[in-house]
Amino acid sequence: EVQLVQSGAEVKKPGESLKISCKGSGYSFTSYWIGWVRQMPGKGLEWMGIIYPGDSDTRYSPSFQGQVTISADKSISTAYLQWSSLKASDTAMYYCARPLYSSSWSTAFDYWGQGTLVTVSS
Amino acid sequence: QLVLTQSPSASASLGASVKLTCTLSSGHSSYAIAWHQQQPEKGPRYLMKLNSDGSHSKGDGIPDRFSGSSSGAERYLTISSLQSEDEADYYCQTWGTGIQVFGTGTKVTVL
Repeated sequence: EVQLVQSGAEVKKPGESLKISCKGSGYSFTSYWIGWVRQMPGKGLEWMGIIYPGDSDTRYSPSFQGQVTISADKSISTAYLQWSSLKASDTAMYYCARPLYSSSWSTAFDYWGQGTLVTVSS
Repeated sequence: QLVLTQSPSASASLGASVKLTCTLSSGHSSYAIAWHQQQPEKGPRYLMKLNSDGSHSKGDGIPDRFSGSSSGAERYLTISSLQSEDEADYYCQTWGTGIQVFGTGTKVTVL
């Protein structure tokens, strides 16, 4: 069974750093891209970027380029999303998601993590 | 620019049907999309991938009540025999060269 299990909720102060995780299981982690999607409170889904754990090839949405860093550790089948200096506007639910087909990210996301709520408040 | 347009809301009675629309921006009418359901306080759930010719492949365990169809730049999700648990937000998703795009979502209310 394919599963994406994300790390738990975080409460941080503005200016702090943060790294959240998404652990894949039940499939070949290195053969599928893993994407990250933001959902701000009461709002819709926004694609942030995506990584191929096999070789760490990473692509970012222009809206998020330079704002976050996506990485992966294939030895533990885990992808990461990190911030070096959080802002209150980073408060949101963050989801990881896996595309339908291996080796391609130009397709639907068919598996989703349960989400990680990040709250940034002074 | 690749954009998906969805109506903000739709409603129908318990047991009835509702048809949601996702419209692709000009020049992108051949694109496939995906439909996702997000129930209150839950993460998104993949429903189906829908091609421009109306063929679709559903996710595991998705009931037959959910079906997809296409016409030109419009992609549809029809939910038949509406159940209370179908009350949710529904998002369409598409993809292009170097980009993933989500629609703004349609909130479905079951009356």
